[in-house]
Amino acid sequence: AQSVTQLGSHVSVSEGALVLLRCNYSSSVPPYLFWYVQYPNQGLQLLLKYTSAATLVKGINGFEAEFKKSETSFHLTKPSAHMSDAAEYFCAVSDSNRDDKIIFGKGTRLHILP
Amino acid sequence: SQTIHQWPATLVQPVGSPLSLECTVEGTSNPNLYWYRQAAGRGLQLLFYSVGIGQISSEVPQNLSASRPQDRQFILSSKKLLLSDSGFYLCAWSVQRNTGELFFGEGSRLTVL
Repeated sequence: AQSVTQLGSHVSVSEGALVLLRCNYSSSVPPYLFWYVQYPNQGLQLLLKYTSAATLVKGINGFEAEFKKSETSFHLTKPSAHMSDAAEYFCAVSDSNRDDKIIFGKGTRLHILP
Repeated sequence: SQTIHQWPATLVQPVGSPLSLECTVEGTSNPNLYWYRQAAGRGLQLLFYSVGIGQISSEVPQNLSASRPQDRQFILSSKKLLLSDSGFYLCAWSVQRNTGELFFGEGSRLTVL
């Protein structure tokens, strides 16, 4: 069975500082991995995805994530935080052999300090 | 372009009352459809998913049920709501044989009193 663990339910960074949100996955087959962002009282929208091509994936709003198979990780980073990045971020995994089920982590709420 | 509509946006219901949340997708055919629940501190929990009309897979045993009467319509129901059913319910769709990218509705916030 697949699973996703996000370390830290809340992360605070200063505006302009590096953003690092951690995600580790468990999968018995090659996974597809995703990061989604949710702004208050809205649905989720896709930030970026890994589907077995390049291990460093660039997404929208300056975010990127690196797939590290040896560490079973897919951490999300952004070099310089902006106030508008304050939101909840979800890591998700799906089975590349079975495309009908996507499992999400519990989410990390990112706070940006002025 | 594809759109997803979910309603009602907000609902306050007493314990023991029935529930019906509806979701429709436009601009695509034969989508995978999903219901997720987001409760405070518990992240996003997959409740049901469907790969076709009448095909429903349940992920969590509970007093909720789902139906897909038409290709692009997905309904979440309950005969008797519990306090623990309160939460933010999200409908989503993806293309068949996809790489897992989901497109979410705006959500329905249910409060059970």
